[in-house]
Amino acid sequence: AQSVTQLGSHVSVSEGALVLLRCNYSSSVPPYLFWYVQYPNQGLQLLLKYTTGATLVKGINGFEAEFKKSETSFHLTKPSAHMSDAAEYFCAVTTRRSALIFGKGTTLSVSS
Amino acid sequence: EAGVTQFPSHSVIEKGQTVTLRCDPISGHDNLYWYRRVMGKEIKFLLHFVKESKQDESGMPNNRFLAERTGGTYSTLKVQPAELEDSGVYFCASSQVGPTEYYYGYTFGSGTRLTVV
Repeated sequence: AQSVTQLGSHVSVSEGALVLLRCNYSSSVPPYLFWYVQYPNQGLQLLLKYTTGATLVKGINGFEAEFKKSETSFHLTKPSAHMSDAAEYFCAVTTRRSALIFGKGTTLSVSS
Repeated sequence: EAGVTQFPSHSVIEKGQTVTLRCDPISGHDNLYWYRRVMGKEIKFLLHFVKESKQDESGMPNNRFLAERTGGTYSTLKVQPAELEDSGVYFCASSQVGPTEYYYGYTFGSGTRLTVV
């Protein structure tokens, strides 16, 4: 069985500051890992995903995440936050033939 | 291409009533999934269709929930009778069938916010 833990339900940063959203997973088999973002009144949008290959994954809007097997982590980062990054972010895990398992989400606030 | 469409976007019903949610996947996407997020909790899987067949319905909470996918196109999720704990946001997602489950990725709809009062 898989599970996801997102550390921190709310993260606040200043515009221009580093964004770090933490995600730890549990999986008995090699995982596929995802980050999704939900802006107000919109659906879930895929930011990036890791399936196999390079462990540093680049996504849309300047976000990236690094798969660290030894730490069972897949933290999401962005060097410089923009006001438009304010949203809720979800980490998710799955394997070859199973449904997505989501974390509880982290709301990112960006102040000017 | 049109995205995944869900309607209604919002629904407020009284306890004991029936509500039907609809999802129109992207044309050609044989995989269709329903997920639900109860307030303050994680998004949870409900079920998975491949074309018109239920591939996995292990996440359906109880027999008050009935999902159908007519002709492998749109899908409906009926809640009858609705209870207070059914309130939440119901998401639908679709994907093409590929060599692995997530080869082509999911596309999510905007969700239906259901409030049972």
